[in-house]
Amino acid sequence: NAGVMQNPRHLVRRRGQEARLRCSPMKGHSHVYWYRQLPEEGLKFMVYLQKENIIDESGMPKERFSAEFPKEGPSILRIQQVVRGDSAAYFCASSPSQSGSNSPLHFGNGTRLTVT
Amino acid sequence: GNSVTQMEGPVTLSEEAFLTINCTYTATGYPSLFWYVQYPGEGLQLLLKATKADDKGSNKGFEATYRKETTSFHLEKGSVQVSDSAVYFCALRDDKIIFGKGTRLHILP
Repeated sequence: NAGVMQNPRHLVRRRGQEARLRCSPMKGHSHVYWYRQLPEEGLKFMVYLQKENIIDESGMPKERFSAEFPKEGPSILRIQQVVRGDSAAYFCASSPSQSGSNSPLHFGNGTRLTVT
Repeated sequence: GNSVTQMEGPVTLSEEAFLTINCTYTATGYPSLFWYVQYPGEGLQLLLKATKADDKGSNKGFEATYRKETTSFHLEKGSVQVSDSAVYFCALRDDKIIFGKGTRLHILP
């Protein structure tokens, strides 16, 4: 039973390029969350999606960042025109339950983005 | 808004020592509470959880009790091992999970 799968594990981009991070939730999970972790810091919530819907994007920067979770295929976190400050580990998590439940989130191993 | 505050690290202990990592929360309503652990280079793994007041979560020798009166969920272990070295995150869930900043734990042999 595969867990949450994220790829790539490591991504290097030059300033100004685009970064695409992919997340396949656990089988049967229809809720996806993206978090960002800066070095030596905790995880900051970015966005919560269900299939074809963004439920809460209160943690997403207003510019350059977008996320989607299409009917078919993985969830994508897209960062346009990356800057050095975007360098971080990006974690995806999934859940089978509706919001507000007591279910934990299941995390992937993350994508470590380095902007040079 | 909801928030989680946990003790800052790093925490360094000798093997077989007693561990406490403090965690307090601020929340409206009665959220579920969690402890997650992150080993180097990996994602977060659920360590234990509690869903209502006075619940005790436990796993791998770790325990935490949901204390509504003190809004706390302190993590304890009676005898730590070198393999427990990791970063520990306290968290609460309303619609999304809100994490504390994490506490790095070093266990010396």
